[in-house]
Amino acid sequence: GENVEQHPSTLSVQEGDSAVIKCTYSDSASNYFPWYKQELGKRPQLIIDIRSNVGEKKDQRIAVTLNKTAKHFSLHITETQPEDSAVYFCAASKGTYKYIFGTGTRLKVLA
Amino acid sequence: DSGVTQTPKHLITATGQRVTLRCSPRSGDLSVYWYQQSLDQGLQFLIQYYNGEERAKGNILERFSAQQFPDLHSELNLSSLELGDSALYFCASSVVAASTTGELFFGEGSRLTVL
Repeated sequence: GENVEQHPSTLSVQEGDSAVIKCTYSDSASNYFPWYKQELGKRPQLIIDIRSNVGEKKDQRIAVTLNKTAKHFSLHITETQPEDSAVYFCAASKGTYKYIFGTGTRLKVLA
Repeated sequence: DSGVTQTPKHLITATGQRVTLRCSPRSGDLSVYWYQQSLDQGLQFLIQYYNGEERAKGNILERFSAQQFPDLHSELNLSSLELGDSALYFCASSVVAASTTGELFFGEGSRLTVL
């Protein structure tokens, strides 16, 4: 069945450094790859997404890359700030069929 | 505010009992998704509805059931509750049509505690 693996499970970086979170999906028919941020006690919210016809997308300090051949996609956060501390989830979906989420990465940005 | 409303926000009940969680999607959204998030765990996909019809099923237990009504609100029924069912249950909705993809808008969640 569909599966999304996410690494690392926890990540600590110094403020100002970069953070990279990686995901691998199993279903080659997946065509949409969003990233969600969940702050403590709050609901997940979309921060960036990429579709399968695009290799890279950037929004200010956040970027996502997609390698369809390897079925990998990654989230890159540059110049990290304390407010970036949260749990980040990747997801893969095939059309509107069930978004499958990765297991999450707890990011801690140390001041 | 995402526009997705979930009730109740908190629910405490005993093992063996049955509860119903309710979700009202954003105005105009046809798809509703249910996820279970146990403590410090990920988002486990349970089930998805699209315009009243079941569209996809995840790892939903037989003790759990759901439906989407003509007004597009959805209910998740959890029966014969066990301690391990304690979790945060999220509902999410999406505006997309059947052939496209897009953002999920999550409600604030219903926190279920089974004692």
